[in-house]
Amino acid sequence: AQSVAQPEDQVNVAEGNPLTVKCTYSVSGNPYLFWYVQYPNRGLQFLLKYITGDNLVKGSYGFEAEFNKSQTSFHLKKPSAIVSDSALYFCAVRDGRSQGNLIFGKGTKLSVKP
Amino acid sequence: DSGVTQTPKHLITATGQRVTLRCSPRSGDLSVYWYQQSLDQGLQFLIQYYNGEERAKGNILERFSAQQFPDLHSELNLSSLELGDSALYFCASSVGTSEFTDTQYFGPGTRLTVL
Repeated sequence: AQSVAQPEDQVNVAEGNPLTVKCTYSVSGNPYLFWYVQYPNRGLQFLLKYITGDNLVKGSYGFEAEFNKSQTSFHLKKPSAIVSDSALYFCAVRDGRSQGNLIFGKGTKLSVKP
Repeated sequence: DSGVTQTPKHLITATGQRVTLRCSPRSGDLSVYWYQQSLDQGLQFLIQYYNGEERAKGNILERFSAQQFPDLHSELNLSSLELGDSALYFCASSVGTSEFTDTQYFGPGTRLTVL
């Protein structure tokens, strides 16, 4: 069965420091991987996706993610965090059996302190 | 703003009642997905429609149903409501060209509270 794991419930980072939010996946076929961000009382906003090609994917708001097939990981990164990056981040994988719906991780709360 | 709209934003109702949540997809998108977000279950896929036809079902209860209309808006009907149905319900839409690679864009959600 397709699944994603976000091993950290919370990540704390100082403003200006690099940030990493971890995600590992398990799929039976080709992985189609996504990152979304959720701000309080808001919907999910799309950040980036990996379909095929370059292992380093660039997305919105300065975020990028590194796809690593051997480690089955898709970690979200940003070189320099800002306070407004504080939010809930979700990693998701496409479920090929159900024709396209997303399977989400449980989410990681990112807190960026000034 | 994703371009996906959902109404109402908030809904408070009593156990046993029935409610309807409405979603308008982004212009041009043919696929609509419904998800439920709760503290204990996280984000779970409920059901998908493509151009008016049901395409896939997830963990959707028999008390819940949905449809997509000719103008492509969708409605999620929840009946015989229980306390445990209290959650945030999201609608997402995608172009529908490729269901594996298309990006899903999410609406702001409807927060349902069952008292």
